[in-house]
Amino acid sequence: QVQLVQSGSELKKPGASVKVSCKASGYDFTTYAMNWVRQAPGQGLEWMGWINTNTGNPTYAQGFTGRFVFSLDTSVRTAYLQITSLKTDDTAVYYCARDKGLSSGRPISPWGQGTLVTVSS
Amino acid sequence: SYEVTQPPSVSVSPGQTAKITCSGDSLPKQYGYWYQQKPGRAPVLVIFKDTERPSGIPERLSGSSSGTTVTLTISGVQAEDEADYYCHSTDSNGSWIFGGGTRLTVL
Repeated sequence: QVQLVQSGSELKKPGASVKVSCKASGYDFTTYAMNWVRQAPGQGLEWMGWINTNTGNPTYAQGFTGRFVFSLDTSVRTAYLQITSLKTDDTAVYYCARDKGLSSGRPISPWGQGTLVTVSS
Repeated sequence: SYEVTQPPSVSVSPGQTAKITCSGDSLPKQYGYWYQQKPGRAPVLVIFKDTERPSGIPERLSGSSSGTTVTLTISGVQAEDEADYYCHSTDSNGSWIFGGGTRLTVL
């Protein structure tokens, strides 16, 4: 079945960098775009942008330019989110979420399990 | 920028019907989706393209659309329905939009 598995929780100091991975299985990786969504503690869902898994071209939402980088390694069916110059405000759960589609005629919207990134000195 | 708006909270007694609305100017042109999120878990799609229910979602959850509003209706609410529900749509460029979320409390 379609599945997205993310890397484990991270504890980082302010100013450091982090790279979160999202490994896909169960479908043709390059057929569907991959989105990234942030959820700060106790807050709602915030769309960060998406990456075209066919071309590798990223699109960043407002507020997620500069320190945020989406990338791919199609050979291992994995999408990555890198955040540089981490700030305490970056503390959040980060989700990868594949574009919605149909599987056996029924709608699906696969999400990873989430990766908690904690930024603290 | 395009926004969708939903109430922050809805409370209902077990067995009653809960309705969560979501309003946005582009909803007549763009589909609405609903996600259910329970504590510590990733969001789960419960309504697709305004009205379709994914496999495994109980029939008591349904979606409807009228003008600039989409509605999630949960009939015969059960304790297990207590969760945060997020309205989701896209703008004309395909950018994802989320509402602020509605906390459904089962009294």
